[in-house]
Amino acid sequence: DQQVKQNSPSLSVQEGRISILNCDYTNSMFDYFLWYKKYPAEGPTFLISISSIKDKNEDGRFTVFLNKSAKHLSLHIVPSQPGDSAVYFCAASVMDSSYKLIFGSGTRLLVRP
Amino acid sequence: GAGVSQSPSNKVTEKGKDVELRCDPISGHTALYWYRQSLGQGLEFLIYFQGNSAPDKSGLPSDRFSAERTGGSVSTLTIQRTQQEDSAVYLCASSLSNGDTQYFGPGTRLTVL
Repeated sequence: DQQVKQNSPSLSVQEGRISILNCDYTNSMFDYFLWYKKYPAEGPTFLISISSIKDKNEDGRFTVFLNKSAKHLSLHIVPSQPGDSAVYFCAASVMDSSYKLIFGSGTRLLVRP
Repeated sequence: GAGVSQSPSNKVTEKGKDVELRCDPISGHTALYWYRQSLGQGLEFLIYFQGNSAPDKSGLPSDRFSAERTGGSVSTLTIQRTQQEDSAVYLCASSLSNGDTQYFGPGTRLTVL
């Protein structure tokens, strides 16, 4: 049973427009959420995180929104740049355990010049 | 400074053979994680080490899998009697302490023929 789901395997957007990547989770014990970005043949790179006490966290062009009642989070990238093209993984953890990350299956983002 | 390193980068083995995968975490990081990514899937947690505490082995898929962390630094993941379904990219991550951002290595791509 997948506890973290990314239902869109791919997304294509025009350079300069907004990219919205979505993630749903089922485990109400999750209280910390992260987005990682992965280029081919490299390990995932941490992008941004949010704890369950907040509903929004912003870092430059990247904003993560958390809707706890809907068990949904999203990553907004604006404006999108061709260098943002990568696979984006949503991950969740429980802060009082081992902090092991439960990952979604990823969304491949293509930003077209 | 140096990031997380893993060796080998690629490993091809025959079914039934044992393999050892190595992870060198970032110096000073006390927490170390192993994950694997099968084709088209998200990352799957395998095992977690924190300092001198007993490791969290809850993600290991079978007793053919084991891991150790010597001297609180380098870790080795061993897979005995490999099977074709073990083929995946094995990723190691480390964090400064429990709950801090996990930094990933480039992974070891394991192919079992």
